[in-house]
Amino acid sequence: TQLLEQSPQFLSIQEGENLTVYCNSSSVFSSLQWYRQEPGEGPVLLVTVVTGGEVKKLKRLTFQFGDARKDSSLHITAAQPGDTGLYLCAGWDRDDKIIFGKGTRLHILP
Amino acid sequence: NAGVTQTPKFRILKIGQSMTLQCTQDMNHNYMYWYRQDPGMGLKLIYYSVGAGITDKGEVPNGYNVSRSTTEDFPLRLELAAPSQTSVYFCASSYAGGAGNEKLFFGSGTQLSVL
Repeated sequence: TQLLEQSPQFLSIQEGENLTVYCNSSSVFSSLQWYRQEPGEGPVLLVTVVTGGEVKKLKRLTFQFGDARKDSSLHITAAQPGDTGLYLCAGWDRDDKIIFGKGTRLHILP
Repeated sequence: NAGVTQTPKFRILKIGQSMTLQCTQDMNHNYMYWYRQDPGMGLKLIYYSVGAGITDKGEVPNGYNVSRSTTEDFPLRLELAAPSQTSVYFCASSYAGGAGNEKLFFGSGTQLSVL
């Protein structure tokens, strides 16, 4: 069974600080996606990374896909209270199924 | 454009009762999914469908049933509710599967408590 391990599970930091969260697996994925979920809502896609080594930027968020396509990271620069939420990584496997990690719950303190 | 619509938003059931969670999408998506989300446990796939008339089991199908008679609708049925089914349920859809690295669109969820 393919698993996506996310770390840390919880993170609480002050506004303005930088942070990185991780998504790791022992399996290769054709692509990895990052979703953000706010309380009372469903997850919303932030980005899809497809090519090993790929880096994508979305304003203050930087996403990286590992060279071997087994892991990904999300770096947030100068975190803001609006970044608070549950960050989920997800991978499409070769059997055409999407697998979700358990998520990193991020809380930005004003 | 409504996207994925789930009803109801909240529901309390007694043990042994049955109910149907409704899900409809207006994006003409072929794939639809039902997930449950328990605290700290991420999203677990219950059932999915790749098109009208086709359904398949996910990771945790026991205690649930689905049907897909139209492209738009994908209801989830709980026949004999049990406390273990207390969870938040999400319906999602995508145009295709992983070959296109498709994006999933989620509804806003149904919070179900079985007492």
